[in-house]
Amino acid sequence: GDSVTQMEGPVTLSEEAFLTINCTYTATGYPSLFWYVQYPGEGLQLLLKATKADDKGSNKGFEATYRKETTSFHLEKGSVQVSDSAVYFCAHFTGGGNKLTFGTGTQLKVEL
Amino acid sequence: EPEVTQTPSHQVTQMGQEVILRCVPISNHLYFYWYRQILGQKVEFLVSFYNNEISEKSEIFDDQFSVERPDGSNFTLKIRSTKLEDSAMYFCASTGRGTGEAFFGQGTRLTVV
Repeated sequence: GDSVTQMEGPVTLSEEAFLTINCTYTATGYPSLFWYVQYPGEGLQLLLKATKADDKGSNKGFEATYRKETTSFHLEKGSVQVSDSAVYFCAHFTGGGNKLTFGTGTQLKVEL
Repeated sequence: EPEVTQTPSHQVTQMGQEVILRCVPISNHLYFYWYRQILGQKVEFLVSFYNNEISEKSEIFDDQFSVERPDGSNFTLKIRSTKLEDSAMYFCASTGRGTGEAFFGQGTRLTVV
């Protein structure tokens, strides 16, 4: 069935370090791919998206590229900040199912 | 900026009691969803709702669950007889076009004791 697998956390980085959070998916058809972020005490917010193969989504310095050949959508940021500390969720959406399928979430903690 | 609002933010209920979680989606959105997140676990899809009917539901969404859009603004999730394992954060979401670009509320933390 449809699923999303992302690397387990927590991930602890120093400020200005490079971030990669791996995400792979299985889906029927051609899903749209998303990264959502959940800051402490808040709901989920859309961070970035990609709707077709080779698309690159970007926002707030974060990037992810839709790789159909490897069924991956890894999240990257060149220089993280303390304010990036949050839980990051990879997800896909299939119109036929009309639902988002989320990964387990990866907690990121950025320290000074 | 428009937002999805959920009430209450926290609800404690006794096992076997009925609870209603309330959501006000973004006003011009057409697709509505409920998800839940058990503490420390992933966000799970419960149900999607469009055109005044359920369009998709998960295996979690059994006969104890129901959704309703009683008027033009509210979207509710009812759990008829709560169980301990229903304790979770429940998120409401809405979208305008039935895509994955969902706007989520801040959640209702349900604690069943």
